[in-house]
Parts: sequence; structure tokens; C-alpha cells
Amino acid sequence: AQSVTQLDSQVPVFEEAPVELRCNYSSSVSVYLFWYVQYPNQGLQLLLKYLSGSTLVESINGFEAEFNKSQTSFHLRKPSVHISDTAEYFCAVSFYRGGSYIPTFGRGTSLIVHP
Amino acid sequence: DVKVTQSSRYLVKRTGEKVFLECVQDMDHENMFWYRQDPGLGLRLIYFSYDVKMKEKGDIPEGYSVSREKKERFSLILESASTNQTSMYLCASSLWAANTGELFFGEGSRLTVL
Repeated sequence: AQSVTQLDSQVPVFEEAPVELRCNYSSSVSVYLFWYVQYPNQGLQLLLKYLSGSTLVESINGFEAEFNKSQTSFHLRKPSVHISDTAEYFCAVSFYRGGSYIPTFGRGTSLIVHP
Repeated sequence: DVKVTQSSRYLVKRTGEKVFLECVQDMDHENMFWYRQDPGLGLRLIYFSYDVKMKEKGDIPEGYSVSREKKERFSLILESASTNQTSMYLCASSLWAANTGELFFGEGSRLTVL
């Protein structure tokens, strides 16, 4: 079965420190990759996506993710986090099923930024 | 501003009640989805729909049904609510032509079944 693994359920970090949230998936075929962020009591918002082209993608608020096909990974990084980055982060991978690309989500990583 | 709107943010129901969760999108998207979100389990797909009157089972359809009579509206139905259906329910939509799986989410409906 196709799956998405986020190895860390919780990542505590101090403000201005770097952070990496890991995401691996099980597939050898073409996929589309996403990171979503969920702030408390809200729905999910798209943070960034990889569809094709450059394997390094960036968001407007300083996050970046790199698609590594050989490792089947799509890790999310930020060189210096802020308190406001505290949120739940979900990795999603779209697999082809039944005629369309349907996303499968990881279990989420709670990023907790301490002052 | 484009939106996916879920009619109820918080609901409390009793075991055995019939529950309707409504979702409306204003982006003219063909695809609509219902997920449930539970701590430590992430988002799990219940049902999705490619078009009006069409539906496909997701990964955990048991105990749920859906209705899509109009393109912009996708309803999730719990015929007889049970306590293990206490959860956050998220509706999402996507553009069929894009066909990448990028989703636009509503704010969520938190259902408690007593």
C-alpha cells in the first residue's frame, strides 16, 4: 500500500534555531508532493509543493523542501524559526488511483517553537 | 477570496443520531473530499467525488455515506453516529484539470458523539 511517513510526531526547538521535518513515502512512480500547515482550530493551508522541475522548492515565509527521488523523501527545512511557526505540519503525496491523483497524508509533525 | 465553507464548526450529537456535515466551495472545483483527522493518525480519506452524483470510497468509508447533488456542495452523512466517530472532519476541493492532488481545505467541523 502507498504510504507517507513522518517520523517525528513532535519537534521542539528554540526560536531562531534551524529545523527539519522529515517526510518519506513509498512509491517508485511519479508523484506530486506537498507540505500543509495547520494552525490551532483552523483547516490546512498549502505551504509549498513539488510538481516538477527544480527539486528545491520554497515558500514565502522562509520554509523550503527538497525532493529526493532516490531516497523517496521530501523533507521540510527552515534555517531560523519564529514563535509564529508553531503549528502542525502535514506532508502529503499524491498517488495515481482510479484515474486521478489523490493525496495521502502523513500523520503530522507538531512543531513547537520555544522562546 | 476563494473559499471552502463547512457549515458547522462544532457539533455535539448523541449515539444513534443521524448527522449531516455540509461543505460548499465557490471555486467551481470538480473534485471534493471528506477527511477525518485524529491525533497521531493524520488525515484519512473517507470519500471523494469527481463530479455531481459521483462518489468514490476512500480508505475508511465504513459508517459514512456522501451526497453530491450540486457541483459546489458535498455532504457527509453519518447514518447512526457512534462514539468512535468523534473526530475533526475536514472538507477539501481540487481542480480536476490540474490533477495534482493540491487541495483547498475548509476550517473543519469538530464532531463529538456522546
